[in-house]
Amino acid sequence: SQQGEEDPQALSIQEGENATMNCSYKTSINNLQWYRQNSGRGLVHLILIRSNEREKHSGRLRVTLDTSKKSSSLLITASRAADTASYFCATDIEGWGKLQFGAGTQVVVTP
Amino acid sequence: GAVVSQHPSRVICKSGTSVKIECRSLDFQATTMFWYRQFPKKSLMLMATSNEGSKATYEQGVEKDKFLINHASLTLSTLTVTSAHPEDSSFYICSASHDYTEAFFGQGTRLTVV
Repeated sequence: SQQGEEDPQALSIQEGENATMNCSYKTSINNLQWYRQNSGRGLVHLILIRSNEREKHSGRLRVTLDTSKKSSSLLITASRAADTASYFCATDIEGWGKLQFGAGTQVVVTP
Repeated sequence: GAVVSQHPSRVICKSGTSVKIECRSLDFQATTMFWYRQFPKKSLMLMATSNEGSKATYEQGVEKDKFLINHASLTLSTLTVTSAHPEDSSFYICSASHDYTEAFFGQGTRLTVV
């Protein structure tokens, strides 16, 4: 069963705006990861955040993790048309690579 | 580093035939490999976990006789979809991890059964 639930399911924004998506999960985790997937293609790993971390940055991406609420958020700042993709959170309960994926958020960035 | 190569990237096969998908770790030894399946516009579902030299562990609802997984070496795992049918058409993707650390994904294989 899927560990993570994501919202919103879909997000449509204009270039330059920020995009925020959220992920909630059910059990304690070792780490949580965010991936991007362009239509019909493979996964691109964005960020891994461990259970003892609260926030991580990578370029225009910011990920937060609140283990007390069992939730995470991914913020994409100053979005670009190239950010159009589906974004998935995935939880790793034991820390050895076995992932459970959320349903995903489909992001469309219009020029 | 940490490159995982999956082959083929696309395959079309006739109903009733079997298809083999390979997942290779190119620059590390993969003690564990994972196989996922993704239906169109859906999320990824874990199918099975394979450890080198032992039988794969399948997730609930995944037919082990339908989806044969072999992890014969520390760099190669294969997924064979046996007697494929149109409902098996999907995107299959593997990941590999070394010594129980984070896993790295292959490029995925789009299987179409006609």
